[in-house]
Amino acid sequence: EAGVTQFPSHSVIEKGQTVTLRCDPISGHDNLYWYRRVMGKEIKFLLHFVKESKQDESGMPNNRFLAERTGGTYSTLKVQPAELEDSGVYFCASSHMRATGELFFGEGSRLTVL
Amino acid sequence: QKEVEQDPGPLSVPEGAIVSLNCTYSNSAFQYFMWYRQYSRKGPELLMYTYSSGNKEDGRFTAQVDKSSKYISLFIRDSQPSDSATYLCASPTSGNTPLVFGKGTRLSVIA
Repeated sequence: EAGVTQFPSHSVIEKGQTVTLRCDPISGHDNLYWYRRVMGKEIKFLLHFVKESKQDESGMPNNRFLAERTGGTYSTLKVQPAELEDSGVYFCASSHMRATGELFFGEGSRLTVL
Repeated sequence: QKEVEQDPGPLSVPEGAIVSLNCTYSNSAFQYFMWYRQYSRKGPELLMYTYSSGNKEDGRFTAQVDKSSKYISLFIRDSQPSDSATYLCASPTSGNTPLVFGKGTRLSVIA
């Protein structure tokens, strides 16, 4: 069974540009999460989809971040315009049930904003 | 005060040593506790999951929760170089809330 896949693995952009990160969850997993780790900090929650609906987006930093999950399959996270403080590793995770804590993570997309 | 505090290390031990990794948490509502392991350039993977106070053992790994002192521990017996990774403690506030992570402790087991 394929795991959670994320693309790109690394993106380097300039401040003010736009970047779109993609996550393909494990097939059949209704729950999809985005997390972010900024250097030196802990992994922090951004938002949670159940199928195509945003269940919780309390962790989204500001309106420069837009997440979508059309059709309840893959998800995208767009940052527009990117700022220096957006640099970090963006992790996607999925789970079949709303099982507490049992998330399957992708390898992450490393974003560097110059 | 952060909800989950964890010493980031790094921690370096010789092969075969017993390793103790620890976290403290501040929110009494935390009921579930997890340890995730993250290898370099990989995503976190669930290692162990505990619900109540006490010990839970899985092979060389033992997770311990002390709710009275809000302290959680992960013990690794007979540590191996393949155990070298970052270990993250995590908990949701309740069954329906997202995970709160500690910063992670980077462990190196030297052969």
